[in-house]
Amino acid sequence: KQEVTQIPAALSVPEGENLVLNCSFTDSAIYNLQWFRQDPGKGLTSLLLIQSSQREQTSGRLNASLDKSSGRSTLYIAASQPGDSATYLCAVRTRGASKIIFGSGTRLSIRP
Amino acid sequence: DAGVIQSPRHEVTEMGQEVTLRCKPISGHNSLFWYRQTMMRGLELLIYFNNNVPIDDSGMPEDRFSAKMPNASFSTLKIQPSEPRDSAVYFCASTPGPMNTEAFFGQGTRLTVV
Repeated sequence: KQEVTQIPAALSVPEGENLVLNCSFTDSAIYNLQWFRQDPGKGLTSLLLIQSSQREQTSGRLNASLDKSSGRSTLYIAASQPGDSATYLCAVRTRGASKIIFGSGTRLSIRP
Repeated sequence: DAGVIQSPRHEVTEMGQEVTLRCKPISGHNSLFWYRQTMMRGLELLIYFNNNVPIDDSGMPEDRFSAKMPNASFSTLKIQPSEPRDSAVYFCASTPGPMNTEAFFGQGTRLTVV
């Protein structure tokens, strides 16, 4: 059974810092991994999608990496801003059943 | 495209009543997911359809929950009878295909059972 873990559960950093969020998964048989952002009381916004054959994806100040063999992904946020404050979730799409399984998220707070 | 559309956005109902949540996936998408989100348990996958057929319903908590997808543009999640512990935000998501494609989420339905 696929399990997805995100550490830390919460993170607070001062504005301007670069930071890394971590995601790990137990079964490397995945089609892809997707990072989402969720603001309080809102839905999920897709940030980056990494296919299983890819090593990384970049969008603006965000860079996501994938090491499928070790079951790990990281989301790197450069030059953090208060507007980046949100909960960040990673999800893997499993091979076979093709389900999308989520981690519990990292709640990020950027201090002005 | 307007994205994944869920209705209602908020629902307050009394214990024992039937609740029906609705989802319209993005046109052309053939995979649809229903999730439940709570503070304690995070995002839980309830059921997954591909080409309108339920593929995996192992996450449906009990027989009070049922889901249907009568056509490619509409799905419902029904709770009957509802209980206070069903209070949560319910999300619907769709993807273009069953494998290596991006998932898009609706804005969710916040359900409160009193």
